[in-house]
Amino acid sequence: GQQLNQSPQSMFIQEGEDVSMNCTSSSIFNTWLWYKQDPGEGPVLLIALYKAGELTSNGRLTAQFGITRKDSFLNISASIPSDVGIYFCVMNYGGSQGNLIFGKGTKLSVKP
Amino acid sequence: GAVVSQHPSRVICKSGTSVKIECRSLDFQATTMFWYRQFPKKSLMLMATSNEGSKATYEQGVEKDKFLINHASLTLSTLTVTSAHPEDSSFYICSAGDRPYPYEQYFGPGTRLTVT
Repeated sequence: GQQLNQSPQSMFIQEGEDVSMNCTSSSIFNTWLWYKQDPGEGPVLLIALYKAGELTSNGRLTAQFGITRKDSFLNISASIPSDVGIYFCVMNYGGSQGNLIFGKGTKLSVKP
Repeated sequence: GAVVSQHPSRVICKSGTSVKIECRSLDFQATTMFWYRQFPKKSLMLMATSNEGSKATYEQGVEKDKFLINHASLTLSTLTVTSAHPEDSSFYICSAGDRPYPYEQYFGPGTRLTVT
């Protein structure tokens, strides 16, 4: 079946530092989505990527869809305490909304 | 736009009782909604796809008689956990998309179910 490998599993950084996390897939896929989940809340969509090689920014966040369509990274620049949370990479592997596979998440902790 | 709400946010019930969780799309119509389950420190796992006006589609290993899904309108889907047991305690999250493409899903805030 489809598998997503997300790394790192957790990160402990100082406020102001840049962060990078990535996901790789065993298969080619059509869509990459990056979500953030705060404790006790549902995931919130951060960035959506639809084309191989696409580089998209959302404020301090930047994500890219790998050329091979098997990987993606998410960068956060100049981290702040509210960046704390779990970041999930999610891929859509089929032709409908429901065909989503979630990575295991990267837990980010930011020390003020 | 694309706001999804859930009710209740937290519920505690006794073993053997049933619990209903509502998922609403507030500013768009959703012919399809999705129900996920999340255990502590784990990722989201899709339980079922809720289809307006027809039967839900369940993922492998999810008991359809245990988790009843009703999608009565284009803005409301309900998940009923029947005869709940402590192992059903979990975080249940619904999602919906406001358009067929691109495939972006918007998630509700989740419902914490605790079965005692």
